[in-house]
Amino acid sequence: GENVEQHPSTLSVQEGDSAVIKCTYSDSASNYFPWYKQELGKRPQLIIDIRSNVGEKKDQRIAVTLNKTAKHFSLHITETQPEDSAVYFCAASIEGATNKLIFGTGTLLAVQP
Amino acid sequence: DGGITQSPKYLFRKEGQNVTLSCEQNLNHDAMYWYRQDPGQGLRLIYYSQIVNDFQKGDIAEGYSVSREKKESFPLTVTSAQKNPTAFYLCASTHPSVGTNTEAFFGQGTRLTVV
Repeated sequence: GENVEQHPSTLSVQEGDSAVIKCTYSDSASNYFPWYKQELGKRPQLIIDIRSNVGEKKDQRIAVTLNKTAKHFSLHITETQPEDSAVYFCAASIEGATNKLIFGTGTLLAVQP
Repeated sequence: DGGITQSPKYLFRKEGQNVTLSCEQNLNHDAMYWYRQDPGQGLRLIYYSQIVNDFQKGDIAEGYSVSREKKESFPLTVTSAQKNPTAFYLCASTHPSVGTNTEAFFGQGTRLTVV
C-alpha cells in the first residue's frame, strides 16, 4: 500500500523567512497530493493541493511542487508570519480509484516573531 | 449549516469496555474515513468507506469496527481488543464522485482516554 514520508518533523524559522516541507510517496499510481494545516486544538484544513498533471501550483505565499519521477512533493511558504505556526500534513491518494488519503507524519512549524 | 460532526468531544472508557464514537455529515459525501492521531505519528487510517454498506480496513484496523448503514453516518467502535486506545480520533468525508475534487473535510475530533 501507499506510504508517505514527511520531513522535517519540526521546523523553526524567523518571521519573514521561507519554510520548506518535503514528502515522498511510494505508490507511483498516486495522482493527488493535498496539504493540510492543523492549528492547535483545531481540525485539519486543506490549504493547497496538486494533481499529477502539473509540476507546480501557487496560491499567494504558498506553493507546492511535484516531481513524479522522484516521487516527491514539497510545500513552500514564503514570508512566514506567526499565524503560519501549525502542524502541516502532506497526503497522497489515487483519485478516481480508491480515493484513500494516506497522510505523512506531520511537521510542526514554529514561526518566531 | 453543512458540515461533519463528531461526538462526544471527550470520552473516557474503562479498560475492557467497548465504546462507540459518532460521526455524522450532511455534506452528501460518498466517502467517509476514520483516522487516529498520536503525537509524532501523523494521521493513521483506521477504516474507510466509499459507499453505503461497504467499508475497508486501513493501516491500523485491529481492535476497531465500523458500520455504514446510512450515507450520513459512519460510527467507529473501539473494542476491548484495542490495546492502546487512548488517542485523538478524527472523522473525515470526501465527495469523489463530483468531478475530481477530493478535499477531505474533518470533524472536530474525539479525544478518547482509557482510565
